[in-house]
Amino acid sequence: GAGVSQSPRYKVAKRGQDVALRCDPISGHVSLFWYQQALGQGPEFLTYFQNEAQLDKSGLPSDRFFAERPEGSVSTLKIQRTQQEDSAVYLCASSEGWNTDTQYFGPGTRLTVL
Amino acid sequence: AQTVTQSQPEMSVQEAETVTLSCTYDTSESDYYLFWYKQPPSRQMILVIRQEAYKQQNATENRFSVNFQKAAKSFSLKISDSQLGDAAMYFCAHSPSGNTPLVFGKGTRLSVIA
Repeated sequence: GAGVSQSPRYKVAKRGQDVALRCDPISGHVSLFWYQQALGQGPEFLTYFQNEAQLDKSGLPSDRFFAERPEGSVSTLKIQRTQQEDSAVYLCASSEGWNTDTQYFGPGTRLTVL
Repeated sequence: AQTVTQSQPEMSVQEAETVTLSCTYDTSESDYYLFWYKQPPSRQMILVIRQEAYKQQNATENRFSVNFQKAAKSFSLKISDSQLGDAAMYFCAHSPSGNTPLVFGKGTRLSVIA
């Protein structure tokens, strides 16, 4: 079946612009995770959802970052007033939702802020 | 706080040879999960192998196996009969359960020499 998909794959924004990054999880997956991966680094947790409930947003770096999953399926990560330090790859992962589950990752969105 | 350390930024191996990637972690949990993910240049993160801490037997997946030393908090990955397609970034990751945010190391870049 289809894996996790993300769009756009690449996004270039001017500093100060707002951006929205989309994640389509594997159909039926209850849990959805967002990670930020800076160049040459490992991914770092941003936030995660179980269905439509945002269970943890402790990794969001500032109040300019906002994530939602209103119907418990597709999720959007929004970054307001982008800054150069926001440049990174944003990864989305989903899992079935059980304790023993594996997270399956999408291809990521590479955001470049000029 | 949980931390994951990968002390080898880069490794290389001859095709058909064996290579071991190191990972250490710190956690106060007694039950947890450990993972090795592979990230090729295409950027899609792929699960290589997982280990539940309560299992004493080391996990294996075809050419991939782990050496899990719980007391030492060590979790190394052994790749046997290395292939050109094994070239990628390898990330070690930890989570209290399979369905909670992952904490990643900084990764090891593996090159395979023909």
